[in-house]
Amino acid sequence: AQTVTQSQPEMSVQEAETVTLSCTYDTSESDYYLFWYKQPPSRQMILVIRQEAYKQQNATENRFSVNFQKAAKSFSLKISDSQLGDAAMYFCAHRRGGTSYGKLTFGQGTILTVHP
Amino acid sequence: DTAVSQTPKYLVTQMGNDKSIKCEQNLGHDTMYWYKQDSKKFLKIMFSYNNKELIINETVPNRFSPKSPDKAHLNLHINSLELGDSAVYFCASSRRVEGNSPLHFGNGTRLTVT
Repeated sequence: AQTVTQSQPEMSVQEAETVTLSCTYDTSESDYYLFWYKQPPSRQMILVIRQEAYKQQNATENRFSVNFQKAAKSFSLKISDSQLGDAAMYFCAHRRGGTSYGKLTFGQGTILTVHP
Repeated sequence: DTAVSQTPKYLVTQMGNDKSIKCEQNLGHDTMYWYKQDSKKFLKIMFSYNNKELIINETVPNRFSPKSPDKAHLNLHINSLELGDSAVYFCASSRRVEGNSPLHFGNGTRLTVT
């Protein structure tokens, strides 16, 4: 079974600074996908970024980028130029490749606070 | 237009009652899901439907019964509600069941059982 671990229950960052959220996962498969979701106080789950395990290049989406270390089974999220609107709970998630039937396995989440 | 919409947003009810949560997606996706987020914010899959057929039932008590009348709708009915059912329930959809198809979530339904 897959497990996802986020070891940082809470993180904080100053506005305009950079912060990195950690995530490790455990899987015996070679074909899988990794995601970061954001959950602001509004409760909505918003996809931030995704990474295909077969791609060596780290995914980037504007101010969000990942550091994907496949051998170490690590998938950290870097937020550059942090904004107040980035304050939220962030979840790392793993999904098997192929016909996984949509089963996302989530980490425990990291609460990110952005200070003005 | 909201892509995945759930109703109601909030649901407060007493133990023993039966309640339903409705979900609709207008994305044309084939696959829909129910996830449960507990009081510690942990998210876990409950059910997955592909083209109206149940494909995942993640050891959920049979008091929970999903129903998919068509590909765009997936409702969740809960019988004999218990205190431990209090949680936020998320509906989600994806274009396909394959792993590279990201999930789009609704805004969640906060269920409180008193």
